[in-house]
Amino acid sequence: DTEVTQTPKHLVMGMTNKKSLKCEQHMGHRAMYWYKQKAKKPPELMFVYSYEKLSINESVPSRFSPECPNSSLLNLHLHALQPEDSALYLCASSQESTSGGAGETQYFGPGTRLLVL
Amino acid sequence: AQSVTQLGSHVSVSEGALVLLRCNYSSSVPPYLFWYVQYPNQGLQLLLKYTSAATLVKGINGFEAEFKKSETSFHLTKPSAHMSDAAEYFCAVKSGYSTLTFGKGTMLLVSP
Repeated sequence: DTEVTQTPKHLVMGMTNKKSLKCEQHMGHRAMYWYKQKAKKPPELMFVYSYEKLSINESVPSRFSPECPNSSLLNLHLHALQPEDSALYLCASSQESTSGGAGETQYFGPGTRLLVL
Repeated sequence: AQSVTQLGSHVSVSEGALVLLRCNYSSSVPPYLFWYVQYPNQGLQLLLKYTSAATLVKGINGFEAEFKKSETSFHLTKPSAHMSDAAEYFCAVKSGYSTLTFGKGTMLLVSP
């Protein structure tokens, strides 16, 4: 099973709202990722968790707050977002983190399409 | 440092024709190379990957890619396009301790 699930599928929020995106995998992977994808663009890496610890933060604004409660779950907490944050948010997982296993495949979830009004 | 260049933001083929999507990479160490496909409003699905075991890599849905070190290329091919192949295709490279770097993507359009 190579499935990564994400909820919700769609989310509309105002600039003052607080919401969370959720990601789950049961492949025993120890690395999990958040990407942001704008229309007609490739995914942009936001955060990497390795063994439940934040290992990479690609200078993402603090209005995005990641959390990894356990090895199967990854959350992205959203607060005071801007309209330009509207995008497809993708979660991925792989067996290894960026510190090893260079050839490990990242498996992606279906994404959450976020619209900020 | 590593990078990927995908030539052609759009490629149009007729159903049944050969599909060729080009990818060139740059990497200071031996790379691992991936092709992902993204259908509208979906996540990325792995088509195939090169990890130095064999230069010709076969993937899902009849796609294959050949690693050519001398040309720093990893082009994706399929002998006969199907309407269901219409999607965005991303080439990606990973080497050493780096994160995955994506190309800008190529939209494959298939006409009847």
